[in-house]
Amino acid sequence: GAVVSQHPSRVICKSGTSVKIECRSLDFQATTMFWYRQFPKQSLMLMATSNEGSKATYEQGVEKDKFLINHASLTLSTLTVTSAHPEDSSFYICSASNRVRGNQPQHFGDGTRLSIL
Amino acid sequence: AQSVTQLDSQVPVFEEAPVELRCNYSSSVSVYLFWYVQYPNQGLQLLLKYLSGSTLVKGINGFEAEFNKSQTSFHLRKPSVHISDTAEYFCAVSETDSWGKLQFGAGTQVVVTP
Repeated sequence: GAVVSQHPSRVICKSGTSVKIECRSLDFQATTMFWYRQFPKQSLMLMATSNEGSKATYEQGVEKDKFLINHASLTLSTLTVTSAHPEDSSFYICSASNRVRGNQPQHFGDGTRLSIL
Repeated sequence: AQSVTQLDSQVPVFEEAPVELRCNYSSSVSVYLFWYVQYPNQGLQLLLKYLSGSTLVKGINGFEAEFNKSQTSFHLRKPSVHISDTAEYFCAVSETDSWGKLQFGAGTQVVVTP
């Protein structure tokens, strides 16, 4: 099946640091990638949708200057949490899909546990 | 806008017993329906999906779900669970005209005990 690799799996850093998370589709071209945030024992909340080569579309309430998303190629999208603070600590999950191939479900990465001290 | 309700936050079940996880949705348009499983500190794995056609959908690991349009439900079932089925299960919907944008339910924690 389709494989999506997310890196790093865990990050612990000081407040004020910017953190970059990578999401790669390893065996298919991801025309669309999604970024989710998951708080402990809660569901996934969609943060933004990115289409290759264009600007990401952010969900209401998500600060686009805080969560920078780049989708420069068909296999890579990055999420940068700028000047992270403790309230940004969360589990971040990406998913990828190929819109050209029709109604394909999203394939998820294994997530990144971000802890801001 | 659509919404998804998973009626049970936690379901304890004995090994080799059947399990049913309930999912109801609301939407003013046609939807696609999905069930995902999440193991601790991991991403989501697709169990099964309903896009069109037969309302009974079979997925991986012995799971199946039935789409009931009149009751706006998509309940997940497995006739005999294993310890390894202990995980969080998420029901999700996507409106057919907003491709790819998933709305997740709150999740159901399944705990299988010997």
